[in-house]
Amino acid sequence: GQNIDQPTEMTATEGAIVQINCTYQTSGFNGLFWYQQHAGEAPTFLSYNVLDGLEEKGRFSSFLSRSKGYSYLLLKELQMKDSASYLCAVVDSNYQLIWGAGTKLIIKP
Amino acid sequence: GAVVSQHPSWVICKSGTSVKIECRSLDFQATTMFWYRQFPKQSLMLMATSNEGSKATYEQGVEKDKFLINHASLTLSTLTVTSAHPEDSSFYICSARDMPGGYEQFFGPGTRLTVL
Repeated sequence: GQNIDQPTEMTATEGAIVQINCTYQTSGFNGLFWYQQHAGEAPTFLSYNVLDGLEEKGRFSSFLSRSKGYSYLLLKELQMKDSASYLCAVVDSNYQLIWGAGTKLIIKP
Repeated sequence: GAVVSQHPSWVICKSGTSVKIECRSLDFQATTMFWYRQFPKQSLMLMATSNEGSKATYEQGVEKDKFLINHASLTLSTLTVTSAHPEDSSFYICSARDMPGGYEQFFGPGTRLTVL
């Protein structure tokens, strides 16, 4: 079966750095997305990785290792507004998005 | 670009009534639209995939006769919750892909349905 694992919840301090991991086992791989979702709102796109390596975009970076079935989202200089759920999703061989359950990130002052 | 709208943003209805939710791609043609449901503190659950001009493909466990999906044009898909019951109360979110083979899904703002 297809499976995506990410921690259920993480807590970090304002101004710090946090890394949210995602491991996957899917039938085929056509890329991995990270989305941010604030409570009561729809997800918003953060990043897309299809090749191995690190993609940096401002305070957010995303890393992918296809051989390990592993990705992480790195958030730097955390702000209170970064409190949200972070969803990892993999595009499988049928070009469908397979969603992880999401990681709720709590930022404390 | 790539904006998706949903209407209404929230709706309250009586048990037994039907509710229609619209999903529109405002600045692109969406050959494929997706309908998700999300219960509080849970992740997104894909309900169905809708391709323009053809019947929707429903995920296992989703009743096609209860959740009617129509994707009549490249910019509009509708989800009708028929004979709604309190257990159908949820956050319904649509998303759209902007071209065949494009992987990113652009999400609408969601519709919060409350069935009394």
